[in-house]
Amino acid sequence: TQLLEQSPQFLSIQEGENLTVYCNSSSVFSSLQWYRQEPGEGPVLLVTVVTGGEVKKLKRLTFQFGDARKDSSLHITAAQPGDTGLYLCAGGSNYKLTFGKGTLLTVNP
Amino acid sequence: EAGVAQSPRYKIIEKRQSVAFWCNPISGHATLYWYQQILGQGPKLLIQFQNNGVVDDSQLPKDRFSAERLKGVDSTLKIQPAKLEDSAVYLCASSLDWIGSSRETQYFGPGTRLLVL
Repeated sequence: TQLLEQSPQFLSIQEGENLTVYCNSSSVFSSLQWYRQEPGEGPVLLVTVVTGGEVKKLKRLTFQFGDARKDSSLHITAAQPGDTGLYLCAGGSNYKLTFGKGTLLTVNP
Repeated sequence: EAGVAQSPRYKIIEKRQSVAFWCNPISGHATLYWYQQILGQGPKLLIQFQNNGVVDDSQLPKDRFSAERLKGVDSTLKIQPAKLEDSAVYLCASSLDWIGSSRETQYFGPGTRLLVL
């Protein structure tokens, strides 16, 4: 069974601060996706990374896939209240995704 | 482009009752997924359809859960009889093709929140 561990589980910060959340596994994935889920809604895809060592930037969000394709990180610069939500990582293998439990981020104004 | 539609949005039932959820994927999407998301956890895949065929139902509790995707378009997920531990959000998602090498994007619906009393 492939498991993804996300840390921290909860994170509460002030507007303007930087933060990093992590997604780790003992398994190798062919790809790693990050989603954000807001209350009462389904997850929305932020990014897909497929190459070991790959770094992708989406405005203030920076995503990195580990060299061994077992881990990933999401860094947010100058967090804003609109970044509040549940951040989920999901590892792709064969034809399906395995999700982590998520990091619940609250950005206070 | 219309997103993934799900209904109902909320459902409250008593244990041992039956319940059904409906999902209409994005037009033209071949693959449809049902996930269960228990509070505080990430989504867990229950069943995956490619058109109207089942690709993976290894985590579907088949003694009480069933799902179908007639004509390869919309889908229903049924629980009969429900247990307290079935309280969760049931998410439907669709993608153009196989998640495969995971370049495909899954589009999620808003989910159905089920409370079993």
